[in-house]
Amino acid sequence: AQSVTQLDSHVSVSEGTPVLLRCNYSSSYSPSLFWYVQHPNKGLQLLLKYTSAATLVKGINGFEAEFKKSETSFHLTKPSAHMSDAAEYFCVVSGVTGFQKLVFGTGTRLLVSP
Amino acid sequence: DTEVTQTPKHLVMGMTNKKSLKCEQHMGHRAMYWYKQKAKKPPELMFVYSYEKLSINESVPSRFSPECPNSSLLNLHLHALQPEDSALYLCASSQVSGDNNEQFFGPGTRLTVL
Repeated sequence: AQSVTQLDSHVSVSEGTPVLLRCNYSSSYSPSLFWYVQHPNKGLQLLLKYTSAATLVKGINGFEAEFKKSETSFHLTKPSAHMSDAAEYFCVVSGVTGFQKLVFGTGTRLLVSP
Repeated sequence: DTEVTQTPKHLVMGMTNKKSLKCEQHMGHRAMYWYKQKAKKPPELMFVYSYEKLSINESVPSRFSPECPNSSLLNLHLHALQPEDSALYLCASSQVSGDNNEQFFGPGTRLTVL
């Protein structure tokens, strides 16, 4: 069985400061891991994905995440927050190949203040 | 074209109405998905189609009836819905196999049942 735990329901940062959104996963085999972002009343947009290649994954809009197997973590970071980053972020785990059921975390709301 | 489109954007219906949600993609994906998302919650999988055949039905009530008429289109027929069915309905698509199994989401249909 697979599961995802997002450790913070809300994260507040100031514009220009670093962002850290935490995610731990559980999987009985090597997983695919994703971060999706959802702006209010919008669909989900893929930020980045890990599929057993490089452990440091770079995504869109300056986001990156590091897969740490020993810690079963896949935290999302960004060096400098922008107002447009304010949104809901979902950490997601899936099987490595083929279409699979996505297992979503409960989400982290990122608030960015001027 | 990496876009999944959904129509309509908003839908208000009574409990005795019949309506349909539509989803279209032209990325050559042969897996398509319907999700339901309640406010402040992650998406919940409803149905998965693979090669135009229903592969997964997550015990969804029969008042929701999916249809996949061809490899680019996915419909969700609605009949005799309840107010608790009000939600954002998201469509997604992906490859069926291979490493590039990430799902691409549409913007969603905001459904209100009166």
